[in-house]
Amino acid sequence: ILNVEQSPQSLHVQEGDSTNFTCSFPSSNFYALHWYRWETAKSPEALFVMTLNGDEKKKGRISATLNTKEGYSYLYIKGSQPEDSATYLCAPLQGAQKLVFGQGTRLTINP
Amino acid sequence: EADIYQTPRYLVIGTGKKITLECSQTMGHDKMYWYQQDPGMELHLIHYSYGVNSTEKGDLSSESTVSRIRTEHFPLTLESARPSHTSQYLCASSEWGQGSYNEQFFGPGTRLTVL
Repeated sequence: ILNVEQSPQSLHVQEGDSTNFTCSFPSSNFYALHWYRWETAKSPEALFVMTLNGDEKKKGRISATLNTKEGYSYLYIKGSQPEDSATYLCAPLQGAQKLVFGQGTRLTINP
Repeated sequence: EADIYQTPRYLVIGTGKKITLECSQTMGHDKMYWYQQDPGMELHLIHYSYGVNSTEKGDLSSESTVSRIRTEHFPLTLESARPSHTSQYLCASSEWGQGSYNEQFFGPGTRLTVL
């Protein structure tokens, strides 16, 4: 099983501030990296699926970068809003078929 | 919005009871998955299916069983529930295709408590 680490585990940010967190994963046998957002009482939803080294994806105020050679991805949120409060999960694709999830970063935006 | 459903959402049950957690999707996806999550921990894959009559055990050993008789339906069964089965169970589906890289659509989960 892949070892996927996310840091920090928990983060409190003031509304309007920008923030970022990290996902580390083994760089060998890489296929893709997924980011999911999981809001309380809702289902996890895919944010990004990234495949290429150096790739950068953006959706509104949220963006992500990927370094497949060193095995890490960053997720950035610009100008945090209360609706950004959620747990953010990263998951590399193992063997091209199965996702292996990290513990997640629990983000709380303080108004 | 993903069309994947799980019932029940919450279940409190006594030790020794047989339970079935239901999962259905209307997207026609071939691949379906069951994950288990304990509070503060990772989602762990316990079962998956690549299509009708296909079931495989996941990375985390589980006493539960699954079946896939219809494409849209992937129920999970515990023959005799125990307190150690208390957890959240999430169902997901995906369709491998160009550019999707197995992007998964999740149900709302079933929170199971065994007394």
